[in-house]
Amino acid sequence: AQKITQTQPGMFVQEKEAVTLDCTYDTSDPSYGLSWYKQPSSGEMIFLIYQGSYDQQNATEGRYSLNFQKARKSANLVISASQLGDSAMYFCAMSEWGTGNQFYFGTGTSLTVIP
Amino acid sequence: EAQVTQNPRYLITVTGKKLTVTCSQNMNHEYMSWYRQDPGLGLRQIYYSMNVEVTDKGDVPEGYKVSRKEKRNFPLILESPSPNQTSLYFCASRRGQDQPQHFGDGTRLSIL
Repeated sequence: AQKITQTQPGMFVQEKEAVTLDCTYDTSDPSYGLSWYKQPSSGEMIFLIYQGSYDQQNATEGRYSLNFQKARKSANLVISASQLGDSAMYFCAMSEWGTGNQFYFGTGTSLTVIP
Repeated sequence: EAQVTQNPRYLITVTGKKLTVTCSQNMNHEYMSWYRQDPGLGLRQIYYSMNVEVTDKGDVPEGYKVSRKEKRNFPLILESPSPNQTSLYFCASRRGQDQPQHFGDGTRLSIL
């Protein structure tokens, strides 16, 4: 089974609107972390936001928030007030704390912001 | 500024010519990793290190070597590069197991 599933290969959003990028995960480890990364066309991998499995509140970083639903095993990224510079690939990733240094990445979602 | 620095950012070289991609982090992180990213295959871990002198293989270690002599540096060595090692390479670091990874800007490697 896939550890991280991103079911939206491509998404479009109007500038200034909010958008949700989906991510579901699969793990039997009770201790894990979920991250989101942005990869613009220039190639760098930019860390956006992180949520630990024991964190009670959803993580937020500026316009980014992580909608963490533990029972559903989902960790969706919400970008509010989209900007043209948000157009990029977005990757969801998971680390299981009990298994050393293994990181699992999703296949990514390509987001295009339309003016 | 806290960062992971990789060099070079771009490199075109020929088969068999040894090369090293350097990686340095200034955040005193324990964990460091190397990944390659290929179209259709996503990000795959090559090697990782949990501390000085402690390294281990990831998913695709063949053809690569690493060393961790100092906490801040984690170079990736290709002793005899081949065209199938043409890829986008990332170095990453994190403070601990329960922390997110931070990536360098990537190295685009082309081996002819």
